Amino acid sequence: DAKTTQPTSMDCAEGRAANLPCNHSTISGNEYVYWYRQIHSQGPQYIIHGLKNNETNEMASLIITEDRKSSTLILPHATLRDTAVYYCIVRVETSGSRLTFGEGTQLTVNP
Amino acid sequence: GAVVSQHPSWVICKSGTSVKIECRSLDFQATTMFWYRQFPKQSLMLMATSNEGSKATYEQGVEKDKFLINHASLTLSTLTVTSAHPEDSSFYICSADRGYNEQFFGPGTRLTVL
Repeated sequence: DAKTTQPTSMDCAEGRAANLPCNHSTISGNEYVYWYRQIHSQGPQYIIHGLKNNETNEMASLIITEDRKSSTLILPHATLRDTAVYYCIVRVETSGSRLTFGEGTQLTVNP
Repeated sequence: GAVVSQHPSWVICKSGTSVKIECRSLDFQATTMFWYRQFPKQSLMLMATSNEGSKATYEQGVEKDKFLINHASLTLSTLTVTSAHPEDSSFYICSADRGYNEQFFGPGTRLTVL
């Protein structure tokens, strides 16, 4: 699986958009970009994933650059409950394929 | 989304004893489950991949005789930490693959070995 690079930490004001970047310059053509988050002392929670088109769901939006070497997760209106470690992972989309977690970004949403 | 449970949520045991952790997919069947370990302020580290009806595949550096994994049904995988020692104290997390590229995580089990 391709390696990802994320900032160690970010801060965001409550109610503002949180934009979390991820670099994956060695991504292969058949690898998807996945985002998970982990709130302290809980299991990771799936957020969103995509291949090359931008994706949006009830939690977030995922913007993938045209060359697919980087992406941005957008939380449009961050709340205090969004404080968590956010992991960007690239993986081949096949059943049973593993998720390899990097260090992630600690997002702190401030009141 | 689908629900994965773990039991117990936390356990404290004496050094040298064995501890069993259960991972259940409550509303779907999972041919593949994964076991992770997370030390404080670190990321999740994959320990092993558990496939129903077959032997688990362990990651490099994980002792298969110490961390016994059984995946006897499509909804249950167990991890047994044998002869636990204080260095095995960690947060153990399982995940279950529902297919369709969807993987769901349990809430984790905090193991403390005295």
